[in-house]
This record gives sequence, structure tokens and C-alpha cells, in this order.
Amino acid sequence: KAGVTQTPRYLIKTRGQQVTLSCSPISGHRSVSWYQQTPGQGLQFLFEYFSETQRNKGNFPGRFSGRQFSNSRSEMNVSTLELGDSALYLCASSFVAADTGELFFGEGSRLTVL
Amino acid sequence: SQQGEEDPQALSIQEGENATMNCSYKTSINNLQWYRQNSGRGLVHLILIRSNEREKHSGRLRVTLDTSKKSSSLLITASRAADTASYFCATDGVAGGTSYGKLTFGQGTILTVHP
Repeated sequence: KAGVTQTPRYLIKTRGQQVTLSCSPISGHRSVSWYQQTPGQGLQFLFEYFSETQRNKGNFPGRFSGRQFSNSRSEMNVSTLELGDSALYLCASSFVAADTGELFFGEGSRLTVL
Repeated sequence: SQQGEEDPQALSIQEGENATMNCSYKTSINNLQWYRQNSGRGLVHLILIRSNEREKHSGRLRVTLDTSKKSSSLLITASRAADTASYFCATDGVAGGTSYGKLTFGQGTILTVHP
């Protein structure tokens, strides 16, 4: 069974640009969560989608958005990039809908903003 | 904000020794989980312990949970060089409900196991 796939793995952007990251969950998993990991703030929850609906959102500005497609694949978008957005962005999928149990993480997309 | 505080921040041991990491959290929980992360990679789930459990074992891992103290510990026995990684505890931060994919992670313990 294939794991969670995130693309691209690495990318470099400049301030003011926007970026779209993609996540394909494990087959059969309908819940997809996104996390940002930085050395200073650690792992922080961005948002979670289930059946194309955002069910939960972390404390991030509106420049961070996401969506989920009918095949459970998810994308997140960051507009008007800032230097502080440089981070490892991790996607995680889960089979269980009603309880936050084990999450299966992808390898992440490492974003560098110059 | 980080709900979990982990102790120690870094731990260096020799192969064959045991490694113990501790985690404290602030709110009521349904479950607490431990994850492992190799440098710059994704997180790998190690073990989940529910709020009504006190101890759980999985291979060389032993996790304890004390909800009265809001703390947990992860013990790795007979450590190997391949155990070198960062270890994070994570809580769902709700009791009796669902956090819809949101886990609150500690800052992690960096474990180095020397061959």
C-alpha cells in the first residue's frame, strides 16, 4: 500500500510569490491534515479536511488556505509569501473520521522563501 | 502554542542502553501519541495510549500515562544506533470529543545513540 505522497519535495520561492503544495493520502483515507514545522515554533496544525470539507483550522493567517478534492487528494496554498513561511510542510492522512488517532505522514515539502 | 513539553531536549546514550523521554501536557485528552522523525523527514507513528490506559508496550517501546499529572513517558529499551531520531509526543487536546485531525506536538527530544 502506497504511503502519503507529497509534491514537490523541495522548492524555493521569493517573497511575495505564492505556492501550492500537493498531498495524496493513503488509499481509503479520507481525512487529510496539514502541519507546518519550523525550528522556532515546532509542529503546528494548519487545517484538516474530510470529504472535501474543512473541519478544523489552526491559528494561521488567511494567506494559508487549502482544499480537498473528491478523490481525497489535498492541496494547500500560501499566498504573498513571507520569509517566515520557510518551513517543512507536512501532510498526514487518517482513516478514522471521528477520532484523531494515528496519523500517517508524508515526507514533507520543504519550502524556502528568499 | 505547544501543549506538550518534552524533557530532556537532547539525550545521548550508548547502544544497548535504555532511553527515557518525558512529556507533559496541559489539557484533558482522549489519547496521547508518540512519533519519531528522522532528520528532515516525515513523522512515523510509534504508539498511541488512550486516557483510560496507564501503560502500553510495543516491541522495545514502553509508554506510560499519568492523567492526574498530565504526563507521559516513552522508554526505548536496548537502544540501537538506528533509533537516533527526534521523538515527539502529541495530544488531541480534547476529552470526549474529536479534534478533527489536530494534534498538538511537544518540542521533541533529540535522541542520539552512539554505536
